[in-house]
Amino acid sequence: DSGVTQTPKHLITATGQRVTLRCSPRSGDLSVYWYQQSLDQGLQFLIQYYNGEERAKGNILERFSAQQFPDLHSELNLSSLELGDSALYFCASSVDSGAQPQHFGDGTRLSIL
Amino acid sequence: TQLLEQSPQFLSIQEGENLTVYCNSSSVFSSLQWYRQEPGEGPVLLVTVVTGGEVKKLKRLTFQFGDARKDSSLHITAAQPGDTGLYLCAGTGANNLFFGTGTRLTVIP
Repeated sequence: DSGVTQTPKHLITATGQRVTLRCSPRSGDLSVYWYQQSLDQGLQFLIQYYNGEERAKGNILERFSAQQFPDLHSELNLSSLELGDSALYFCASSVDSGAQPQHFGDGTRLSIL
Repeated sequence: TQLLEQSPQFLSIQEGENLTVYCNSSSVFSSLQWYRQEPGEGPVLLVTVVTGGEVKKLKRLTFQFGDARKDSSLHITAAQPGDTGLYLCAGTGANNLFFGTGTRLTVIP
């Protein structure tokens, strides 16, 4: 058990819809990272937050956004969903910023029909 | 973008065999991490290597960081079915990790 909690575990929705994925980091960790994992592209870094502030941005689409709340949990919002957005979305956390060892949740599997 | 290529992409071996997985890049990384991911779970950190030429052992797993800090290898001795999974290397950037393409290992009993 990594201590990182992601909900929901599975999400099935239709094209054009909007969903919110939630992540609670490990106790004491200030940084939260979001990744997308699809079959043909491996693990792609989306965005990082540190203590409530955006710290780094990766290959995140404009239709996607994220935030980290004062209690340090984070949400990833995906809108105008397309078939190609179907993937596993992972959240990870680390104590500090910088590329420290990250602890991953078990992911949310998003299926777009 | 700092790319990390892993080889082989897929590997299927018999229990008891040895294997080596490679992680290569044209970029220099301050450190490199190896993760293993099992179906339905997130990646789990195995080791971090920091110094060029460093070798770390974790039971039957041996990790090496290249002298130039651009590449790394993972050697597994006497593989067991429990070693089955997706092995990912990740190079450290300023604020995040750059993950490799992954090696999917299957160890057949």
